[in-house]
Amino acid sequence: GNSVTQMEGPVTLSEEAFLTINCTYTATGYPSLFWYVQYPGEGLQLLLKATKADDKGSNKGFEATYRKETTSFHLEKGSVQVSDSAVYFCALYNAGNNRKLIWGLGTSLAVNP
Amino acid sequence: DGGITQSPKYLFRKEGQNVTLSCEQNLNHDAMYWYRQDPGQGLRLIYYSQIVNDFQKGDIAEGYSVSREKKESFPLTVTSAQKNPTAFYLCASSISQGPGNTIYFGEGSWLTVV
Repeated sequence: GNSVTQMEGPVTLSEEAFLTINCTYTATGYPSLFWYVQYPGEGLQLLLKATKADDKGSNKGFEATYRKETTSFHLEKGSVQVSDSAVYFCALYNAGNNRKLIWGLGTSLAVNP
Repeated sequence: DGGITQSPKYLFRKEGQNVTLSCEQNLNHDAMYWYRQDPGQGLRLIYYSQIVNDFQKGDIAEGYSVSREKKESFPLTVTSAQKNPTAFYLCASSISQGPGNTIYFGEGSWLTVV
């Protein structure tokens, strides 16, 4: 079946450090992949997405590349800020899975000044 | 401004009571969703609706009910049959269900059983 696995948190970094949050997936066919961000006490917001292999999604300094050969969609940012502290969710959409989004469990990021 | 409005933000329920969480969107989206979020468990789909007057059960529908009488509204009722309702509830919508369609979320509602 379809599934998404994210690295466990919490991740704690100092400001301006490099961030990587790993996300791997299992799916048949060609899913679309997403990263959502949830700031404390709020709903989720789309951060970036990629709909086909080798696509790179980017937004607010974050990037993720859809790698079909490694079934991965790792989230990266070159220099994190305190305001990036949030929970990050990787998600997969596959038309063959009853047309529902499959969510990772989320990775909490805390950035210290 | 367009968006999704959930109310109330905080709700307390007594044992044995039904409560209804409101969700309204003015994005003209066809598809709407309800998710439950518990610590360490990510998001779990309760119900979803692709069009007015139609909805389907998600992965954890037991103890919940919904209606979709209007395109912009998708209220969720947490019934007394839901044994562990304390959680953060998120309503969402998208243009339709399809690859690449962005799902937009409301701010969420905290439900606590007292």
